[in-house]
Amino acid sequence: SQKIEQNSEALNIQEGKTATLTCNYTNYSPAYLQWYRQDPGRGPVFLLLIRENEKEKRKERLKVTFDTTLKQSLFHITASQPADSATYLCALDLTGGGNKLTFGTGTQLKVEL
Amino acid sequence: DAGITQSPRHKVTETGTPVTLRCHQTENHRYMYWYRQDPGHGLRLIHYSYGVKDTDKGEVSDGYSVSRSKTEDFLLTLESATSSQTSVYFCAISESSGQGAPVYEQYFGPGTRLTVT
Repeated sequence: SQKIEQNSEALNIQEGKTATLTCNYTNYSPAYLQWYRQDPGRGPVFLLLIRENEKEKRKERLKVTFDTTLKQSLFHITASQPADSATYLCALDLTGGGNKLTFGTGTQLKVEL
Repeated sequence: DAGITQSPRHKVTETGTPVTLRCHQTENHRYMYWYRQDPGHGLRLIHYSYGVKDTDKGEVSDGYSVSRSKTEDFLLTLESATSSQTSVYFCAISESSGQGAPVYEQYFGPGTRLTVT
């Protein structure tokens, strides 16, 4: 069964708008959740980590929320730019051991002019 | 990709042949990981290492073995390659704040595209 769910459909938005991506998980309460960006032909790049006791975290135009009751994280990119076009992956430790991550399949974001 | 290299970057091999992929890091990180990435499946953990000669299996370890004789090198071996192992393979590294402490962000290499014909 899928333990981490990200919207498999690509998200197309207009430049300047806010993009919101969703990550849902089941059957576990992770201590933290991470978001990565992946460009075609390259390895994922770490963006943000949010802990279970943090409701929200920001980094420049990025904002992540973490709702442990809903078992959901939202990833926002404000004032989006074409350069933000990429696939965004969420990842969390589903084992509790603290040294392995399970990744979602990612959501492709395309920011259009 | 800074501090992590993978070799080869591309390889085509025939079914039944052995293949070894190499991951090399210059960050002196304790944890190293091998993933494969396939359409519709995302990144899946094959094996990981938590120190020299300390390794453990991941989600999709069948058909793969690993070795880590030095901190900086983590080798992934396909003993007898099959077409189902055609994939893009990524190495990643990570560190923790101390013994028993959780690891946090992972840093990925550029990937190896392997085709088994």
